[in-house]
Amino acid sequence: EPEVTQTPSHQVTQMGQEVILRCVPISNHLYFYWYRQILGQKVEFLVSFYNNEISEKSEIFDDQFSVERPDGSNFTLKIRSTKLEDSAMYFCASSGIGTSYEQYFGPGTRLTVT
Amino acid sequence: AQKVTQAQTEISVVEKEDVTLDCVYETRDTTYYLFWYKQPPSGELVFLIRRNSFDEQNEISGRYSWNFQKSTSSFNFTITASQVVDSAVYFCALSEEPGGSEKLVFGKGTKLTVNP
Repeated sequence: EPEVTQTPSHQVTQMGQEVILRCVPISNHLYFYWYRQILGQKVEFLVSFYNNEISEKSEIFDDQFSVERPDGSNFTLKIRSTKLEDSAMYFCASSGIGTSYEQYFGPGTRLTVT
Repeated sequence: AQKVTQAQTEISVVEKEDVTLDCVYETRDTTYYLFWYKQPPSGELVFLIRRNSFDEQNEISGRYSWNFQKSTSSFNFTITASQVVDSAVYFCALSEEPGGSEKLVFGKGTKLTVNP
């Protein structure tokens, strides 16, 4: 069964450093998403991406964040200068058109900013 | 604005008990989708069900059943004969943008603990 994959599973970085979280969505999907979940809290939408551009972004997704689909398979989230409050689990998701619009989530990347 | 409320923060039951997880939503749209996801201790999000706003039929899948009532804006989830493996955090979610980019708005989740 196709699945969304994410790397790394855990990333530790120092405050102020840049991090790139990587995702490989399901191959025939067209919509891509990033969500984050601060430990013990709810899952929050960050950004959606379609046709090589951002469809929608939340207030959390400020200038420190960017997304990119550098090739036909990867979807990345970059945080330019990490803050302590960026520590969270980051989930990538993808969905297709003409199917059931279910968003399939990856296993997540736990980001720890020290 | 869209909002999902899961009033039950934590529920603890003994194995084989039935348990219902409540979900109440707010939306201005007449067309929307409701979802339930399971997050086991390992942390991944597992899709359980999607229901569109025009389909109010209750759904049953094995020990799981869902009760969608538009009149009360609720989409409750019942686990029958609970098992220890059902222990997880369960999230209800809402999307107002069917047919394309669907931003999911999640509730805060209900942590279910099933004790042997």
